[in-house]
Amino acid sequence: AQRVTQPEKLLSVFKGAPVELKCNYSYSGSPELFWYVQYSRQRLQLLLRHISRESIKGFTADLNKGETSFHLKKPFAQEEDSAMYYCALATGANNLFFGTGTRLTVIP
Amino acid sequence: DTEVTQTPKHLVMGMTNKKSLKCEQHMGHRAMYWYKQKAKKPPELMFVYSYEKLSINESVPSRFSPECPNSSLLNLHLHALQPEDSALYLCASSQDQHGGGVRGYTFGSGTRLTVV
Repeated sequence: AQRVTQPEKLLSVFKGAPVELKCNYSYSGSPELFWYVQYSRQRLQLLLRHISRESIKGFTADLNKGETSFHLKKPFAQEEDSAMYYCALATGANNLFFGTGTRLTVIP
Repeated sequence: DTEVTQTPKHLVMGMTNKKSLKCEQHMGHRAMYWYKQKAKKPPELMFVYSYEKLSINESVPSRFSPECPNSSLLNLHLHALQPEDSALYLCASSQDQHGGGVRGYTFGSGTRLTVV
């Protein structure tokens, strides 16, 4: 069975500080991982997918199959980064399973 | 059009009512989904439609009945709901590839349902 674990429910960092949101997964197949973000009163939006290996809004995430992790990182947090972040795992049947989410607060 | 549109945005219904939630997308996506999100919880998958056929039902009670009339529309019919069914109901769509294609899944803004 698949599982996505985000160990931190809440994370606060100061503006300009580095931020890392942790995500670990468990899946017997070939994983496809995503980060979704939900800003206050807005819909869920795709932030990153591991296949793209891109940087969006300064965020990056690298899939580490050995550690079964897909941590989200940004070197310098901005106030507008405050949001709910969900790590998600897609399985072959077009299912998308979400972790429990981490609420990031960037302190001015 | 790059959005998933859900109506209504808010719905209050009694336990004996019948109501429907609607979802529409015009991106040519061939997979559509219903998710349920309780307060401070992640979205939980309910149903998946692929090419207008129900492909996944995550053991959802029969008081929730999905329908996909065509490739652009997805409905969720509600009947005899319980107060614990109150939640945000999210619709999403994706291309038919594994993982949702290049753009992943596109979510609607949801219908906030309150059962009284």
